[in-house]
Amino acid sequence: AQKITQTQPGMFVQEKEAVTLDCTYDTSDQSYGLFWYKQPSSGEMIFLIYQGSYDEQNATEGRYSLNFQKARKSANLVISASQLGDSAMYFCAYSGGSNYKLTFGKGTLLTVNP
Amino acid sequence: AAGVIQSPRHLIKEKRETATLKCYPIPRHDTVYWYQQGPGQDPQFLISFYEKMQSDKGSIPDRFSAQQFSDYHSELNMSSLELGDSALYFCASRTYTGTASYEQYFGPGTRLTVT
Repeated sequence: AQKITQTQPGMFVQEKEAVTLDCTYDTSDQSYGLFWYKQPSSGEMIFLIYQGSYDEQNATEGRYSLNFQKARKSANLVISASQLGDSAMYFCAYSGGSNYKLTFGKGTLLTVNP
Repeated sequence: AAGVIQSPRHLIKEKRETATLKCYPIPRHDTVYWYQQGPGQDPQFLISFYEKMQSDKGSIPDRFSAQQFSDYHSELNMSSLELGDSALYFCASRTYTGTASYEQYFGPGTRLTVT
């Protein structure tokens, strides 16, 4: 079974600074996808960014970028120019195999300080 | 753009009661996933359907059942509710057709409270 590891239960960052949230995964699948979701206190699961295992370039979406290192099996999320509204729980998730169901990490609670 | 719809958004039930959660996927999406997220936990996969057939099953209690209907909406039925069933239940949908992406689109969730 796939395993997703987020080693940072909580992170603090100053407003306007960049922050990196770590995610590593363990899989024997040849083809898979990696996701980052943001979950504010209201509970909805907001899609941020996606990286396919065969994508040669790191994914970027506005202030979000995914630092994908396939050999190291890591998919870290980089948030540039943090904003107060970025304070939330962030989940890394893996999708692979025949059903594409998501397996989530334990999450990282990000707090952006003014 | 149309999104995944879940109803109800909030539900309060007593122990041993039953509950039915509904999910309406994005139009033309043929696959539905259900996830359960307990307080302070990460979401856990429960069950999925592809073209109205169960495609995979996760850690879903025997007290729970689900199905996908001809219009592709899905219902999660929960019986003999326990306090531990209190959680946020997400539905997500995707399509296998014409896409190389693994992306799933999440609904807003149903918050179930069992008292």
